[in-house]
Amino acid sequence: GEDVEQSLFLSVREGDSSVINCTYTDSSSTYLYWYKQEPGAGLQLLTYIFSNMDMKQDQRLTVLLNKKDKHLSLRIADTQTGDSAIYFCAAGANNLFFGTGTRLTVIP
Amino acid sequence: SQTIHQWPATLVQPVGSPLSLECTVEGTSNPNLYWYRQAAGRGLQLLFYSVGIGQISSEVPQNLSASRPQDRQFILSSKKLLLSDSGFYLCAWSPGTGYSFGGFFGPGTRLTVL
Repeated sequence: GEDVEQSLFLSVREGDSSVINCTYTDSSSTYLYWYKQEPGAGLQLLTYIFSNMDMKQDQRLTVLLNKKDKHLSLRIADTQTGDSAIYFCAAGANNLFFGTGTRLTVIP
Repeated sequence: SQTIHQWPATLVQPVGSPLSLECTVEGTSNPNLYWYRQAAGRGLQLLFYSVGIGQISSEVPQNLSASRPQDRQFILSSKKLLLSDSGFYLCAWSPGTGYSFGGFFGPGTRLTVL
C-alpha cells in the first residue's frame, strides 16, 4: 500500500495562515484529499485535487500539489478558532490511504 | 442525494464476544465501500474495501472480517473480540466507476471492548 505522512501537531495564532503538509509515496495516486475531523465528529471532506493540477483555491483554503516531490499542502488563510481540528491527508484512486492526521490548534 | 448510515453509534462489548457493525448507502448504485478504524491517538487505517457484491479485499491481517451481501450493504464482523479491537470504526463509500471524489464517510461506531 501507499505511505502517507503528516506532521502530528501545528499551532498558529488566530488570524495567521496555517500550512499543513503531507507527503505520499505512490506516484500513481490520482486524487488527493484533505479531510477535517472536529472533536467528537466524523470526517468531513474539505477539498480535493486531481493529480493533473498544481493548485486549487476554495475560499480560505488553498491546496498545492508538487507531483514531482509527491508533496501536498493545505493552506488556511486567516485561521479562526473554529478551524481547530485534526486534518487528514489522503491519497489514492479507488482505494484511499490516510495520513495519521495533523492536530491544528488555533491560539486566540 | 446520497446518504450513508452506520449503526450502532456506540457499542460496549466484552472480550470474546461477537461483533456485527452494519453500514448502508442510499442514493447510489455499485459504490466502492470501505471500512476504516481509528484507534485512540492514531490515524485512520483502512481495514477492508469492496468493489462489488461478495468482493472483499483486506488490507491488514486481523481479527475482523467483512461481507457485502447486497450492493449497498457492508458488514464488519468478528467471532471473538479482542481488547485491541477497541476504536472508532468508519464506513465510507465512493463512486464505483470512473473518478472518485475521495469517499464519503458515515458517522462512525465507537466500539469499546472491556
